[in-house]
Amino acid sequence: QVQLIHSGAEVKKPGASVKVACKASGYTLTIYFLHWVRQAPGRGLEWMGWINPNSGDTNSAQKFQGRVTMTRDTSINTAYMELDRLTSDDTAMYYCARGRWVGATLGWYFDLWGRGTLVTVSS
Amino acid sequence: SYVLTQPPSVSVAPGKTARISCGGNNIGSKSVYWYQQKPGQAPVLVIYYDSDRPSGIPERFSGSNSGNTATLTISRVEAGDEADYSCQVWDSNSDHPVFGGGTRLTVL
Repeated sequence: QVQLIHSGAEVKKPGASVKVACKASGYTLTIYFLHWVRQAPGRGLEWMGWINPNSGDTNSAQKFQGRVTMTRDTSINTAYMELDRLTSDDTAMYYCARGRWVGATLGWYFDLWGRGTLVTVSS
Repeated sequence: SYVLTQPPSVSVAPGKTARISCGGNNIGSKSVYWYQQKPGQAPVLVIYYDSDRPSGIPERFSGSNSGNTATLTISRVEAGDEADYSCQVWDSNSDHPVFGGGTRLTVL
């Protein structure tokens, strides 16, 4: 069964870092770009960035640049997203999603999502 | 950056038709994607390229896009359709995907 499997929920204190894992099952991670999208309580989805699991190249939204690190371990078909200097505003569900690129005009869409990892930031 | 506007909620009786709008400046020139989110489950792509359905998505789900509004239409609504629905486009100016705020569909 093709799916993306997330690591478990995390509770962090302000100022700390969190690292979320996303394991691809049923397909080889390196074939498709892997995106990270988050959703704060009561808010819409927010794109964070992508990693090309084949090369390790990454691109992130300006809002997260300097604070987010996306990596992968191809030997275990797993991608990671680490977010530093957490604040309460980072409390959200974090999703990984498989991206499909359809060109410069139509851009990206996401055909497979994980169930998400809940990250709670609280003192 | 590009902004997508969705109504926070839509309610519909079983068997009726639900229409969920997604507004954006000249959105008709973009390709719109729709996702369904149920509590505790992974989001699911239900419409791509404005009106195409992925394999496994019922024909009851359809999409349209013109001018400043895209619409997801769900015909013969069932209790199992109750979920949050979000639209998404690609913003070529900012070079990243943009999502609407999401619409909670309630089946009465």
